[in-house]
Amino acid sequence: GAVVSQHPSWVICKSGTSVKIECRSLDFQATTMFWYRQFPKQSLMLMATSNEGSKATYEQGVEKDKFLINHASLTLSTLTVTSAHPEDSSFYICSARDEAGGLFEQYFGPGTRLTVT
Amino acid sequence: LAKTTQPISMDSYEGQEVNITCSHNNIATNDYITWYQQFPSQGPRFIIQGYKTKVTNEVASLFIPADRKSSTLSLPRVSLSDTAVYYCLVGDLASDYKLSFGAGTTVTVRA
Repeated sequence: GAVVSQHPSWVICKSGTSVKIECRSLDFQATTMFWYRQFPKQSLMLMATSNEGSKATYEQGVEKDKFLINHASLTLSTLTVTSAHPEDSSFYICSARDEAGGLFEQYFGPGTRLTVT
Repeated sequence: LAKTTQPISMDSYEGQEVNITCSHNNIATNDYITWYQQFPSQGPRFIIQGYKTKVTNEVASLFIPADRKSSTLSLPRVSLSDTAVYYCLVGDLASDYKLSFGAGTTVTVRA
């Protein structure tokens, strides 16, 4: 099946710094990728939709200037958490939509654990 | 996106069959039903997807009644490694591709 990777798998950063998370579709092209955030014992919350070659679409309540998304190619989307604070500590998961064959399946990455100290 | 309702948790023992029912009373004509499995600190994994009647693959079966207002995920002969959170999602795959995750069902399999 299709594979989505994320890098890094975990990261620790100091408050006020920025951190970039990469999401790659390894064996398919994805015009649309998604970024989710998951706090402990909670469900996934969609943050934004990343569109190749255009601006990302953010969900209500998600600060676009804080969570910068770039989808520069059909296999790579990046999420940059700017000026991170401890409350940004969370599990960030991306997914990519495989539209080949009309199945429209979404494949999820393994997630990135962000800890802001 | 159709709202879904699932039990918060279910307990089972190894070798038993686990059935998780999801209610989606306002499912639309073009909506599909998809189930995902998530282990702690991992991304969700696709289990099965269906539109009506019954779908079976190597890991699970999905039963959907004629009115499509609910669906049941069936996990045959569970093992300890099936302990996870299971999410039921409903949506139009072609156009409504923003997945909305509910609370999910935490399935705990005991020896």
